Amino acid sequence: SQQGEEDPQALSIQEGENATMNCSYKTSINNLQWYRQNSGRGLVHLILIRSNEREKHSGRLRVTLDTSKKSSSLLITASRAADTASYFCATDAFQGAQKLVFGQGTRLTINP
Amino acid sequence: GAVVSQHPSRVICKSGTSVKIECRSLDFQATTMFWYRQFPKKSLMLMATSNEGSKATYEQGVEKDKFLINHASLTLSTLTVTSAHPEDSSFYICSAVGLAGAWVPYEQYFGPGTRLTVT
Repeated sequence: SQQGEEDPQALSIQEGENATMNCSYKTSINNLQWYRQNSGRGLVHLILIRSNEREKHSGRLRVTLDTSKKSSSLLITASRAADTASYFCATDAFQGAQKLVFGQGTRLTINP
Repeated sequence: GAVVSQHPSRVICKSGTSVKIECRSLDFQATTMFWYRQFPKKSLMLMATSNEGSKATYEQGVEKDKFLINHASLTLSTLTVTSAHPEDSSFYICSAVGLAGAWVPYEQYFGPGTRLTVT
């Protein structure tokens, strides 16, 4: 079953602008991860944030996690055309099992 | 490092035939592999967990007799779609988790996916 709800479902912005995507989940988690998927391709791991972390940075990416609200956000700063893709959050709730439950995803389009 | 391959990348088959999809971890050993299914513009749905040397664990609603999974070695898992029908057409993605201690915990490495079209 799908645990994550992501919004917006689709986002279109101009190159250079910042893009923010949100993810909410229902059950307690150990970790939350963000992935990128280009059309018709596999997933690329972007960043992992643990349940005891509140914010994490990686290059132009900034992820926040609010376990009290069961939500996370992914911010991409200074967007580029190459950032055009679908972005998914995924949670794993069972330590050691590493089963991931994916959100519905946000389709991000960066307009040149 | 941490490359996962899938073969074939695309396959078209006739209704009623069976199709085998391979998932390989190329530069690491994976005790656990996962198989996902993705419909167009939709998210990934976990189908089953494949453990080397044991039976796969299927998610609720996934027919184990239709989607046969064999994890024959620490680098190979196969998914066979038996008696395929047009509704089985989808994008199938596998992922692999390395042996404990060898990789970043809880990080899965995904294959590029296999596009199955059943006519």
